[in-house]
Amino acid sequence: DVKVTQSSRYLVKRTGEKVFLECVQDMDHENMFWYRQDPGLGLRLIYFSYDVKMKEKGDIPEGYSVSREKKERFSLILESASTNQTSMYLCASSATGTQFEAFFGQGTRLTVV
Amino acid sequence: AQSVTQLGSHVSVSEGALVLLRCNYSSSVPPYLFWYVQYPNQGLQLLLKYTTGATLVKGINGFEAEFKKSETSFHLTKPSAHMSDAAEYFCAVSELGSARQLTFGSGTQLTVLP
Repeated sequence: DVKVTQSSRYLVKRTGEKVFLECVQDMDHENMFWYRQDPGLGLRLIYFSYDVKMKEKGDIPEGYSVSREKKERFSLILESASTNQTSMYLCASSATGTQFEAFFGQGTRLTVV
Repeated sequence: AQSVTQLGSHVSVSEGALVLLRCNYSSSVPPYLFWYVQYPNQGLQLLLKYTTGATLVKGINGFEAEFKKSETSFHLTKPSAHMSDAAEYFCAVSELGSARQLTFGSGTQLTVLP
C-alpha cells in the first residue's frame, strides 16, 4: 500500500525557532511536494523536488527552505518561525509518468506561538 | 498558467439527496483533472481522476465526474448523499508538459444533514 509519512501530526513551536518538518515516502517516487493549507485558500505549493538534491520554488517559498538528500525523504525547514506560518502542512509524492497523481501524508498541524 | 475555481465554499445537502460540487478550470493545454477528499485532521485522498479517454469518470464511494471541455468544467456528483460523505473536497488540475505539480482549488466543505 502506498505510504507517505509525516514525522509529526501536531507541533507547537516558539517564534524565532528553527523548525524541521520531515516527510518519507516508500513508493520510490521521483517527485515530492510541500503544500500549506489554510481555510479558504486551499492548498498552496511551497516547494517541490523532482530528484535528489533538486528543488524548485512553488507559489509561496518565502520563509521556507527544503532539503532532499535521499530519494525517499523531503524536509521542509522554517528558518525562523513566525506566527503567520501557523498552518497545516501537507507533504505529497508522485511518480513521473503517472499523470502526476499525488499521494498525501496525514499532515502536520503547526502552531507558532 | 493553470488555475481552478470551485464555486461554493460550503454546500449542504440532506442525506439521500444529490451531491453536486462544481469545479471550473483554466488550462492552455489538455489538462489532467482530479478530485480529492479530506476528512477532518487527515491528508487528502484521491476520489477520481480524468486523464484521457472517457469523459465520465467513476471514482470511489459512488462519486463520479464529467469532463466537459466546452465548459472547462469537471463537476463532482453523487446520486445519494450519505452521512459519511461529509468532508472537504478539492478539485485539482495539472498539465501535460508543465512542471510536475498540481494546482488546487480553494475547496468545498460538504455538510450532510440527517
